[in-house]
Amino acid sequence: EVQLVESGGGLVPPGGSLRLSCTVSGFTFSNYWMYWVRQAPGKGLVWVSRINSDGDWTTYADSVRGRLTMSRDNARSTVFLQMNNLRADDTAVYYCAGRDFWTNGDYMDVWGRGTAVTVSS
Amino acid sequence: DIHMTQSPSSLSASVGDGVTITCRASQGISNSLAWYQQRPGKAPKLLVYDASRLESGVPSRFSGSGSGTDYTLTISSLQPEDFADYYCQQYSGTPFTFGQGTKLEIK
Repeated sequence: EVQLVESGGGLVPPGGSLRLSCTVSGFTFSNYWMYWVRQAPGKGLVWVSRINSDGDWTTYADSVRGRLTMSRDNARSTVFLQMNNLRADDTAVYYCAGRDFWTNGDYMDVWGRGTAVTVSS
Repeated sequence: DIHMTQSPSSLSASVGDGVTITCRASQGISNSLAWYQQRPGKAPKLLVYDASRLESGVPSRFSGSGSGTDYTLTISSLQPEDFADYYCQQYSGTPFTFGQGTKLEIK
């Protein structure tokens, strides 16, 4: 069974930091490109970042570049999102998602259940 | 950035009805379009990719079509479990962008 389990969310003051994790099972993690997508309360989906299967290439949305850093550990089947200098508009549920590197497009066919991040004083 | 305009933003229908949701891209995206379903409190689920390819396990009452800048998701005969939010996503280029969503409600 395919599973992606996010953790690390919580309440953090503006300017603070959090590190999200997403541990996967049920598929060959090292073959998958991974993504973070967020959803603010009552709002739509917003793509945040992408990392390739080797972990040596990342891409970010302009709104997070320089503050959020995505990485992965293929030995632990885990992807991370280091979140620094957090702002109120980073408040959202953060989903990790992925797709097999053989697929020819950046759509996401596996998803976790998400972890909630609240940035507030 | 490629802007995705999805319509309608909400839709009421009855079980058994057919419905269509539309996404328009601000520039051509060469069929690099996916559709997702999101039930309340749940993660999104991929339905369609490459504009018209049905994801494995998705019922055949779902179908996608379109080209260039205009794309549609059609549900041919609504079932109770289909009442949810739907999003399109373009992956023609970064940043990957989603439509604002369509809330499909029971009439």
